[in-house]
Amino acid sequence: NAGVTQTPKFQVLKTGQSMTLQCAQDMNHEYMSWYRQDPGMGLRLIHYSVGAGITDQGEVPNGYNVSRSTTEDFPLRLLSAAPSQTSVYFCASGEGLLEQFFGPGTRLTVL
Amino acid sequence: AQKVTQAQTEISVVEKEDVTLDCVYETRDTTYYLFWYKQPPSGELVFLIRRNSFDEQNEISGRYSWNFQKSTSSFNFTITASQVVDSAVYFCALSDPRGNNDMRFGAGTRLTVKP
Repeated sequence: NAGVTQTPKFQVLKTGQSMTLQCAQDMNHEYMSWYRQDPGMGLRLIHYSVGAGITDQGEVPNGYNVSRSTTEDFPLRLLSAAPSQTSVYFCASGEGLLEQFFGPGTRLTVL
Repeated sequence: AQKVTQAQTEISVVEKEDVTLDCVYETRDTTYYLFWYKQPPSGELVFLIRRNSFDEQNEISGRYSWNFQKSTSSFNFTITASQVVDSAVYFCALSDPRGNNDMRFGAGTRLTVKP
């Protein structure tokens, strides 16, 4: 099993550009989530999904969109990147929140 | 609202010292879960422990131990005889899986173990 995979590992964007961070898991988990990690703030939940076709907002959803068309994939879209979105992004999957497996992270810089 | 506070931003110890990382939480829920994660310099997040609100028994796993006290809303983590490989950022987190599926993390404590 590959576990939770994220692509790309690193990305640099200009303000206003759009992009999609990819997340995939091969553990057949229903629950998937996206977090951002900023210095001194721990991880904050952006969006989560409890199954295919179901998504919901977390603590900091503004500026991000998600969709869940399959159990395996949970992409995170930035429609118009802003410098405030410079962060490390982690995707996670699990059987609910009780045991989440995290991906390796994507380091995003918005200039 | 749920909140997790890790007051210790950075801790530095010498190898073989014992060290305790503090975690204080706030929640109005009666059913909740507490977690500790480790983030080594390589950046990945490693699950260490989960504890539910109805189980206040202390847990020991090798050199790691956890002390859960509902009376003080604390879930502290102790590393005995620390080693250089314990150097990492440690996060405490709180969730209510029956509610909005939200998980709140503390800001993390950076532990440096010097040889």
